[in-house]
Amino acid sequence: TQLLEQSPQFLSIQEGENLTVYCNSSSVFSSLQWYRQEPGEGPVLLVTVVTGGEVKKLKRLTFQFGDARKDSSLHITAAQPGDTGLYLCAGDNRGSTLGRLYFGRGTQLTVWP
Amino acid sequence: SQTIHQWPATLVQPVGSPLSLECTVEGTSNPNLYWYRQAAGRGLQLLFYSVGIGQISSEVPQNLSASRPQDRQFILSSKKLLLSDSGFYLCAWSHIRTSGVTDTQYFGPGTRLTVL
Repeated sequence: TQLLEQSPQFLSIQEGENLTVYCNSSSVFSSLQWYRQEPGEGPVLLVTVVTGGEVKKLKRLTFQFGDARKDSSLHITAAQPGDTGLYLCAGDNRGSTLGRLYFGRGTQLTVWP
Repeated sequence: SQTIHQWPATLVQPVGSPLSLECTVEGTSNPNLYWYRQAAGRGLQLLFYSVGIGQISSEVPQNLSASRPQDRQFILSSKKLLLSDSGFYLCAWSHIRTSGVTDTQYFGPGTRLTVL
């Protein structure tokens, strides 16, 4: 059972377009993280959202944590080819003492010049 | 600063052969350590995690095993590889969980394993 569902699985767009990626769960998370992974490399953290309703911006990327802390979205404005990659969301469940993150299956984004 | 190393970067092994992948972390002490497998550029499947030397927890039953002989060394092994073991193996570390701190996981560069 996948705790975090990401949609869409694949996204192929032209440079300059806007897009939104979603990360949904029926579980509540104490925080949610977004990572980006490029081919042949490990994921790299983009942002962590902690408070319900929180919005964080990272240049052209806007991240939002749902009010109930069950879902999150990533919006990219004016996408560029450099944004191409696999975007993964990961939830932190403080019910565990380990620090375990639950990862979604990811959204593969391709931005064409 | 902290760094995490994995080797080898790529590996091609025949079915039934043994496996040993190594991960080391520098610049921090007593980290939590994780082994993940990723199939075909998709999500991460947690295989093993460790909160200290000799402490290993398994998430998924399989023919793989893990060991942590030193504080900052994490090894993934198999006695006999299966075709289904092919994939991209990622090691990660995080700080020990403390109250009020949100964990970030820092990933290594990965090992691409192909079992033929």
